[in-house]
Amino acid sequence: QKEVEQDPGPLSVPEGAIVSLNCTYSNSAFQYFMWYRQYSRKGPELLMYTYSSGNKEDGRFTAQVDKSSKYISLFIRDSQPSDSATYLCAMSGTGGTSYGKLTFGQGTILTVHP
Amino acid sequence: GAVVSQHPSRVICKSGTSVKIECRSLDFQATTMFWYRQFPKQSLMLMATSNEGSKATYEQGVEKDKFLINHASLTLSTLTVTSAHPEDSSFYICSARVDGPNTIYFGEGSWLTVV
Repeated sequence: QKEVEQDPGPLSVPEGAIVSLNCTYSNSAFQYFMWYRQYSRKGPELLMYTYSSGNKEDGRFTAQVDKSSKYISLFIRDSQPSDSATYLCAMSGTGGTSYGKLTFGQGTILTVHP
Repeated sequence: GAVVSQHPSRVICKSGTSVKIECRSLDFQATTMFWYRQFPKQSLMLMATSNEGSKATYEQGVEKDKFLINHASLTLSTLTVTSAHPEDSSFYICSARVDGPNTIYFGEGSWLTVV
């Protein structure tokens, strides 16, 4: 079993739709939860970051973490064609170099069509 | 935000040769950098943690003699793929941590093709 599971999709939605992306994990040591966006053949770009359980909102993006269920989500409201990319969830533990040592999900390929 | 630069962005090398990929933090000092590998349509897999002034820490299953990592300064880490084979063809990405996990910046990645 992988430490982080993410449905690879692909996911295709019309412009303006609400997109829901999810990851589950098995390692209880994970405390930091991130969502990255990756365009084709580029490095990942940090979208959202959450520590422990809770919600965080930034513009059209909302990240949710439920540590009791080991489940995290990213919601994208009013999706735009420019949101088309691969979305990766990532997690890390605490302390020392663990902060930068990320475990990634497989990534979900999202296409928003006009 | 902080910028991490990788070079080259694309490289083609012959089987059996070695190739070096550089990762630079352009506007901050990074005592720790990380190297990942990503195969097509797969996720990023951590290969090793690069520590300035000391030996790199490799993840299980990664051959340290094949993937040589040197972190000689606070702004530069290099990954050398030695005796490259076609199965080493992949997308290699580095990252650097400034402080907490919300300050991890990735380079643009380097595509390696071994022919």
